[in-house]
Amino acid sequence: AQRVTQPEKLLSVFKGAPVELKCNYSYSGSPELFWYVQYSRQRLQLLLRHISRESIKGFTADLNKGETSFHLKKPFAQEEDSAIYYCALSSGSRLTFGEGTQLTVNP
Amino acid sequence: DTGVSQDPRHKITKRGQNVTFRCDPISEHNRLYWYRQTLGQGPEFLTYFQNEAQLEKSRLLSDRFSAERPKGSFSTLEIQRTEQGDSAMYLCASRLLTGNTIYFGEGSWLTVV
Repeated sequence: AQRVTQPEKLLSVFKGAPVELKCNYSYSGSPELFWYVQYSRQRLQLLLRHISRESIKGFTADLNKGETSFHLKKPFAQEEDSAIYYCALSSGSRLTFGEGTQLTVNP
Repeated sequence: DTGVSQDPRHKITKRGQNVTFRCDPISEHNRLYWYRQTLGQGPEFLTYFQNEAQLEKSRLLSDRFSAERPKGSFSTLEIQRTEQGDSAMYLCASRLLTGNTIYFGEGSWLTVV
């Protein structure tokens, strides 16, 4: 069975500080991993996927198969990054989500 | 707005009543998903369709829940004999079969009193 764990429900940092949102997964196959974000009063939207190896809004995430992790990082947090971030794993047919981490970036 | 749309956005119903939610996916998207999300939790998969065929259902989907996508376009999710535990946000999402990005709607909030 596939499972996604986000150990921190709440994370608070100051503007300009580095931020790391942790994600660990368990999956027997070859995983496809994503980060979704939900800003206040907006719909859930894709932030980035591991396949693309892209940087979106300054965020990056590296898949570490040895540690079964897909942590999301940003070197300098901005106030507009405040949101709920969900790590998700795709089995091909559907997404399995973690419980989410609410990030607050303080001025 | 050409994104996934859901209706109604909010529904308050009495325990025991039936409710139905509608989802209009992005045009041409073959796959349509239903998820449920409660406060403080991530979305939980309920079911998905490929065109009009319902291909997978979660164990979370009790026999009081039924979903349809009769013409492979919009979908409905019906909950019969609602219970207080059904109170949640019901999210619809869609994607192209050949794509790997799932697009979500804004959700339908259900409150059972």
